[in-house]
Amino acid sequence: EVQLVESGGDLVQPGGSLRLSCAASGFTFSSYWMHWVRQAPGKGLVWVSFINTDGSNTDYADSVKGRFTISRDNAKNTLYLQMNSLRADDTAVYYCARLIGGSGWTPFDYWGQGTLVTVSS
Amino acid sequence: DIVMTQSPDSLAVSLGEGATINCKSSQSVLYSSNSKNYLAWYQQKPGQPPKLLIYWASTRESGVPDRISGSGSGTDFTLTISSLQAEDVAVYYCQQYYSTPFTFGQGTKLEIK
Repeated sequence: EVQLVESGGDLVQPGGSLRLSCAASGFTFSSYWMHWVRQAPGKGLVWVSFINTDGSNTDYADSVKGRFTISRDNAKNTLYLQMNSLRADDTAVYYCARLIGGSGWTPFDYWGQGTLVTVSS
Repeated sequence: DIVMTQSPDSLAVSLGEGATINCKSSQSVLYSSNSKNYLAWYQQKPGQPPKLLIYWASTRESGVPDRISGSGSGTDFTLTISSLQAEDVAVYYCQQYYSTPFTFGQGTKLEIK
């Protein structure tokens, strides 16, 4: 059974940092591009970032570019999101998601349950 | 960036009746080389992550009931639920995966009348 389990969400002050993790199981993690998507409380879905299978190709939403870094450890079957210079508008549930078919431009067939990041003083 | 616009924002339908949600993209998401529309629909219930319903605009994900269908091409797409059931109450999102940033519609809240 495919499972994605996020962790690392917390209450952090503006300007602070946080690292999110997404532990994957039930599939060959190293064969799949992975994404982060976030959802502010009561709001819609917003794509954040993606990483290819070996980490050589990444992309970010303009709103997080230069502040967030996506990475992965295929030996540990884990996806990461390093979040720096956090702002109040980064407050959201952060989901990791897997692509159908593993790579390329396809939709997300599995999502984690999400981890809540709250940026507030 | 491709902007996705859904209509209506909310919809109330009687049990057993049909529901239609529209999604319009600011540019075509039809890739000419493979004739595929890079458009998906998701369902999200409170406290849960989104669930993939439809991809390539009209391909039903495994396990999705056949009363849920998708149609459209280019820039205009539709999600249709033919006979509303209580478990269909949710927020529905369209998403384009034609290019990054992948973008979602603002969501349509479907309720029972």
